[in-house]
Amino acid sequence: DAKTTQPNSMESNEEEPVHLPCNHSTISGTDYIHWYRQLPSQGPEYVIHGLTSNVNNRMASLAIAEDRKSSTLILHRATLRDAAVYYCILRDVNRGSTLGRLYFGRGTQLTVWP
Amino acid sequence: GAVVSQHPSRVICKSGTSVKIECRSLDFQATTMFWYRQFPKKSLMLMATSNEGSKATYEQGVEKDKFLINHASLTLSTLTVTSAHPEDSSFYICSAPRWGSLTGELFFGEGSRLTVL
Repeated sequence: DAKTTQPNSMESNEEEPVHLPCNHSTISGTDYIHWYRQLPSQGPEYVIHGLTSNVNNRMASLAIAEDRKSSTLILHRATLRDAAVYYCILRDVNRGSTLGRLYFGRGTQLTVWP
Repeated sequence: GAVVSQHPSRVICKSGTSVKIECRSLDFQATTMFWYRQFPKKSLMLMATSNEGSKATYEQGVEKDKFLINHASLTLSTLTVTSAHPEDSSFYICSAPRWGSLTGELFFGEGSRLTVL
C-alpha cells in the first residue's frame, strides 16, 4: 500500500482556518485520497475523499496537488470539537473485496485552543 | 445516527476468560466487516477481515485462535478474545463498507474498550 506522511501534531486557535498537509509521493493512478478523523475514545469518522479535483463538503475541503503527490485538508473555521487525530489514507479502488481495508498511519493530532 | 454499532462499549474481565464483542450494521447489509485494534496513543491496526458465511482473513501476526471472528449474518460480526490476558487490553473497533462506498466513506463502530485484569 502506498504510504502517507503527516506531521505528528498541529495547533490552531478557535475560529481560524486549519491546513493539514499529507504527502503521498508513491500514490498510484487508482488511489483515492481519504481523510478520516478520530475523536478521543471513539471510532474514526469519515471526513472527505477525492481523486484529482479539489473537493468540498460540509465538514471540510480537500485540496489535491496537480501531481497528486500531496494533499491538504482544510478546516475553514476550527472549533473545539475539531480537536482530533486526522488520518490521511490512500484507497485503491482496484482492490475489489479488500476495498474496505484501511491501513492507518500515525495521523496528525490537531489541538484547538479557545 | 450511527450506522455501525458495537457492543459492549466497555468490558472488564479477569485474565483467562473469554470476551465477545459484537459489531452490527444497523441499516444496511455488510458481507464484509473489518476489525481493528488500537493501543493507547497509537494508531489503528487492522486485525482481520470478517466475511459473511466464510472464514475470516487475518493480517500477518494476528493469532486466529486467539481472536475468533464469526460473521454469521449480513448484519453481525463478532470478535471473541479467547483466554484474555492483560496484554490484550486495548480498544477494539469494527468497520463496514456500505453500498455506494466503492470510493466513498466507510463506517466505523464506536469502539469497545477491553480491560483485562
